[in-house]
Amino acid sequence: KQEVTQIPAALSVPEGENLVLNCSFTDSAIYNLQWFRQDPGKGLTSLLLIQSSQREQTSGRLNASLDKSSGRSTLYIAASQPGDSATYLCAVNTGANSKLTFGKGITLSVRP
Amino acid sequence: DARVTQTPRHKVTEMGQEVTMRCQPILGHNTVFWYRQTMMQGLELLAYFRNRAPLDDSGMPKDRFSAEMPDATLATLKIQPSEPRDSAVYFCASGLVRDGLSVAASTDTQYFGPGTRLTVL
Repeated sequence: KQEVTQIPAALSVPEGENLVLNCSFTDSAIYNLQWFRQDPGKGLTSLLLIQSSQREQTSGRLNASLDKSSGRSTLYIAASQPGDSATYLCAVNTGANSKLTFGKGITLSVRP
Repeated sequence: DARVTQTPRHKVTEMGQEVTMRCQPILGHNTVFWYRQTMMQGLELLAYFRNRAPLDDSGMPKDRFSAEMPDATLATLKIQPSEPRDSAVYFCASGLVRDGLSVAASTDTQYFGPGTRLTVL
């Protein structure tokens, strides 16, 4: 059974700092991995999707990497801003019944 | 700006009552997913549909939960009878999976609705 872990559960950083959010998964046989953002009281918004054959994806200040063999992914946020404050969830698609398995997320607070 | 809509946004009910949650997927999308989010369990997939046909509902307690797609513009999730442990935020998501591809192999993401916050007293 696929398990996705995100540690720590919460993170607080000063504005302008570059930061890395970590995600680990137990079953390396994945189709793809996604990073989502969730704002309080809102649904999820997809940030980046990395196919299993890819090593990384970039969008603006965000860069996600994938190391399938070690079961790890990182989301790098450059020059963090208060508007980046949200919960970031990692999800893997193993193809087993095509389910997305989510981590519990990392709640990020960027202090002005 | 196409969005997934869900109604109601909030629902408070008493144990034993029937609860129906509705979702309107993005027009043209052919897959619909129902998720439940709690503090303890995080996000869990309950069921999903492709071209209105249920493909997997193994994550759903079958004795009290049912999910349907009466037409391409409406998905429903019913709980009968509801219990306090059903209190959670229920999300609907939709996506487009191209013909010949499995959901797993799709490069398209899922678009989430704002959720229905359910409280069962």
